[in-house]
Amino acid sequence: EVQLVESGGGLVRPGGSLRVSCAASGFTFDNAWLTWVRQAPGKGLEWVGRIKSNPDGGTTHYAAPVKDRFTISRDDSKNTLHLVMTRLKTEDTAVYYCAFTSGVATFDHWGRGTLVTVSS
Amino acid sequence: QSVLTQPPSVSAAPGQKVTISCSGSDSNIEGNYVSWYQQLPGRAPKLLIHNTNKRPSGIPDRFSGSKSGTSATLTITGLQTGDEADYYCGTWDNGLTAGVFGGGTKVTVL
Repeated sequence: EVQLVESGGGLVRPGGSLRVSCAASGFTFDNAWLTWVRQAPGKGLEWVGRIKSNPDGGTTHYAAPVKDRFTISRDDSKNTLHLVMTRLKTEDTAVYYCAFTSGVATFDHWGRGTLVTVSS
Repeated sequence: QSVLTQPPSVSAAPGQKVTISCSGSDSNIEGNYVSWYQQLPGRAPKLLIHNTNKRPSGIPDRFSGSKSGTSATLTITGLQTGDEADYYCGTWDNGLTAGVFGGGTKVTVL
């Protein structure tokens, strides 16, 4: 059974940094493409970014609002996905989900999410 | 403002049919597969339809997807109270080089 468990959310001041992680099991992590999706309170889903598997080049892509502030990385030895967020803004407040990705942008399995709150 | 456009809400009585539209452009829907997600209140999204019209294992055939040009449609037949949820379409945008979602549609069973 595929399991994705996010952690690391919390309260951070505007301009601060935070790392959230996603522990994965139930599939071959090394070959998986993985995506971060966020959802602001009461709002819709927003694609944040994606990392390909290392055999496929390990390439990352980011949404315009987070490009140059957020970095996605993966630790295949620990089956863990990371999202490092810097220069955080109040509009980054959201539940952050990691998702197993098939095809180009199909999110087959989702974690339960971790809440990041950016507030002074 | 979402790249893909969905109606904010649709409603119907139990047993009836609802359709949810997802309008995009030639840089996203027209050239890529579309997926649909169901998000029950307080829960993470769940994949409902992939590759435009394929159902993952365990998804009932009451749910179906289709596409024509730059628009996609999710159809739910035999509506049940348990179908009350938010539904999102998603795909890849070749121009943005990014994934995109619709703004979501709330389905209400009357």
